[in-house]
Amino acid sequence: EVQLVESGGGLVQPGESLRLSCAASGFTFSVYWMSWVRQAPGKGLEWVATISGDGSETFYVDSVRGRFTVSRDNAKNSLNLQMNSLRADDTAMFYCARGENNAFLYWGQGILVTVSS
Amino acid sequence: QSALTQPPSASGSPGQSVTISCTGTSSDVGGYNYVSWYQQHPGKVPKLLIYEVSKRPSGVPDRFSGSKSGNTASLTVSGLQAEDEADYYCCSYAGRNIPRVFGGGTKLTVL
Repeated sequence: EVQLVESGGGLVQPGESLRLSCAASGFTFSVYWMSWVRQAPGKGLEWVATISGDGSETFYVDSVRGRFTVSRDNAKNSLNLQMNSLRADDTAMFYCARGENNAFLYWGQGILVTVSS
Repeated sequence: QSALTQPPSASGSPGQSVTISCTGTSSDVGGYNYVSWYQQHPGKVPKLLIYEVSKRPSGVPDRFSGSKSGNTASLTVSGLQAEDEADYYCCSYAGRNIPRVFGGGTKLTVL
């Protein structure tokens, strides 16, 4: 059974950093491209970042490029999102998702990140 | 990286059909057959309904169907049921450097 479990969320002040992780199980992690998708409270889904299976390629939405870094550890079946210089508008539920057939079939339960003073 | 355009709301009575549109550009929806649709109930994780414009994952009822014409993709829900009341999001590949862009979402109400 495919499982994606996010961790590392919480409340931080503007300008601070936070590192999210997503523990994957039930599939060959290194084969799949992985992504982070976020959803601000009461708002729609927003793609944030994607990383290739071997970690050699990364892509970001303009609003986080230069502040967020997506990475993965295929030996530990772990996806990460390092978030620096956090802003109030980064407040959202963050989901990790597995890419397959040009879509997101599997999603984690999500982890809440709140940026507030 | 502009979001795809969806109507904010749609509605229909039980048993009826409703179609939700998703308008992009030739750089995303119109340029690739990589449109997907997601259903999200309040407080729940998004669920994939349609991928690659019109394909359904295993377990998704055939009441849900997808299509595309030019820069606009559509999701049709036939035989509306009460449990179809949810938010629906389209998503498209938008090129090598923009793997995904979502629509703003459509709230479907079953009257």
